[in-house]
Amino acid sequence: ILNVEQSPQSLHVQEGDSTNFTCSFPSSNFYALHWYRWETAKSPEALFVMTLNGDEKKKGRISATLNTKEGYSYLYIKGSQPEDSATYLCAPYSGSARQLTFGSGTQLTVLP
Amino acid sequence: DAGVTQSPTHLIKTRGQQVTLRCSPKSGHDTVSWYQQALGQGPQFIFQYYEEEERQRGNFPDRFSGHQFPNYSSELNVNALLLGDSALYLCASSLYADTQYFGPGTRLTVL
Repeated sequence: ILNVEQSPQSLHVQEGDSTNFTCSFPSSNFYALHWYRWETAKSPEALFVMTLNGDEKKKGRISATLNTKEGYSYLYIKGSQPEDSATYLCAPYSGSARQLTFGSGTQLTVLP
Repeated sequence: DAGVTQSPTHLIKTRGQQVTLRCSPKSGHDTVSWYQQALGQGPQFIFQYYEEEERQRGNFPDRFSGHQFPNYSSELNVNALLLGDSALYLCASSLYADTQYFGPGTRLTVL
C-alpha cells in the first residue's frame, strides 16, 4: 500500500489570497499523479493527470507541478474565490499497484 | 450524456445483513472502480472491473465482492455487515487506465 501524504490537512484563506498544497508520494514505480477537487455534496472532479517529471498543468486559476524524482506535487490556486472551497485530493497511480491511492486531502475554505 | 450514476443514494442496514450497491458508468467507459471513503480519509480502493472480470483488488476482505455486467454497469456486494463498513461508497468509471470519473456515492450506515 502506497503512503500518500497531503498537507496541510485544512486551510482557511481570505478571498483573493493565493495558496498552495503539497502531495507527497513514493517515487519508485511511478506512473501518473491525479488531482481531484471534491466539493461538498458533489462527486470528485478530475483536475489534472500528470505523468512527466517537471510537468506543469494549468486550468484557469489552478495549476500544478510534479517532481517524480523526489515524489511530490504542488497544487496552486491564484486569487482564491469562495467557489474554490473544496477538498483537494491527490492520487498517484503506480505501475506496481495498478490502482489509484488517494491521500486524505486538503480541505480548503475561502472566506468572502 | 449522463455521467456516472449510483443507487441507492442512502442505505441503512443492521449488522450481519448483506447489501448491494449499483453503478452505471459514463457512456463509452469500460472500466469500473469502487472505493470506500470513511470520514476524514481519502477514498480507499476496493477493486476494479474490466471486461466483466476483477482486474485489481485493494486490501479489503472477501466479504466485499463485485460484478460487472456486459453493459459495463457494476455491483458491489458486502456480506455480513460490520459497524465499520459504514462509509460513503464511490464508484468511478474510466476508459481502461485513463482518468476516472466519479459518481455521487452511496452513503451506507450500519446500525
